Amino acid sequence: SYELTQPLSVSVALGQTARITCGGSGIGTKIVHWYQQRPGQAPVLVIYRNNNRPSGIPERFSGSNSGHTATLTISRPQAGDEADYYCQVWDSNHVVFGGGTKLTVL
Amino acid sequence: QVQLVQSGAEVKKPGSSVRISCKASGRTFSNHPINWVRQAPGQGLEWVGRIIPVLGTTDYAQKFQGRVTITADETTSTAFMALNNLKSDDTAVFYCARDGGSFDLEYWGQGTLVTVSS
Repeated sequence: SYELTQPLSVSVALGQTARITCGGSGIGTKIVHWYQQRPGQAPVLVIYRNNNRPSGIPERFSGSNSGHTATLTISRPQAGDEADYYCQVWDSNHVVFGGGTKLTVL
Repeated sequence: QVQLVQSGAEVKKPGSSVRISCKASGRTFSNHPINWVRQAPGQGLEWVGRIIPVLGTTDYAQKFQGRVTITADETTSTAFMALNNLKSDDTAVFYCARDGGSFDLEYWGQGTLVTVSS
C-alpha cells in the first residue's frame, strides 16, 4: 500500500517561512491535498489539488508537488497557524494520509 | 454551504457494534462520496472507507474490511458507518467528510467520540 512520510514536527519563528514536506514514491504524479487540524477541532482543507486554496484560506498558504516530495508552505505564519498538518492522496481506490506534522510557531 | 452533522457520542462494550450517522445539508448529497476517518486519542488521521451515495458503491481500508459497513440513505441525505466487534483500541473520534470532487475531503462533520470500555 502507498505510504506518505511527514516529519513529526516543524518549528518556525514568527516572520519566517514554514515548509512541511510529504514524501512518497512518485508523489509528483499524484494529486496532493493538505489539512490543518487545531486541537479539539475537525480537520480543515487548506490546499487542494497540489496548490489551490479553498475560499477563506489565507494567501500565505501554498503548495507544491514534484518528484518524490510535496510541500506545504506557510509564509509569515501566525500564532493561530500552530496546528497539526496532514497531507493526503488518492491511491488504488483508497484515501491515504500522511502521519501528520505538528507546526510550532516560536 | 455544505454542513455535515454527526450523531452523538457513544459508549460501547468490547465485542459490541456501533452505528454513527452523518446528515448532510444541501442538494448535492448523492453525487459526492462520503468518507469516514478515524482518529484515536493523540494519533493521526486514518481512513476507514467511503461510499458514493447515488451508486451505493463502497471502498474500505483493508484494516477495517469485514468489520465495517458504510451505507447511505439518499432520501434523508444521511450516511452511516457501522463498526462491529469493537475493541478497546477502537476508542476514537470518527469523522465523516464529503469529497470535494478531486478525492479531497472538503467538508467535515464535527466528529463523534466512540469509547469502547468494559
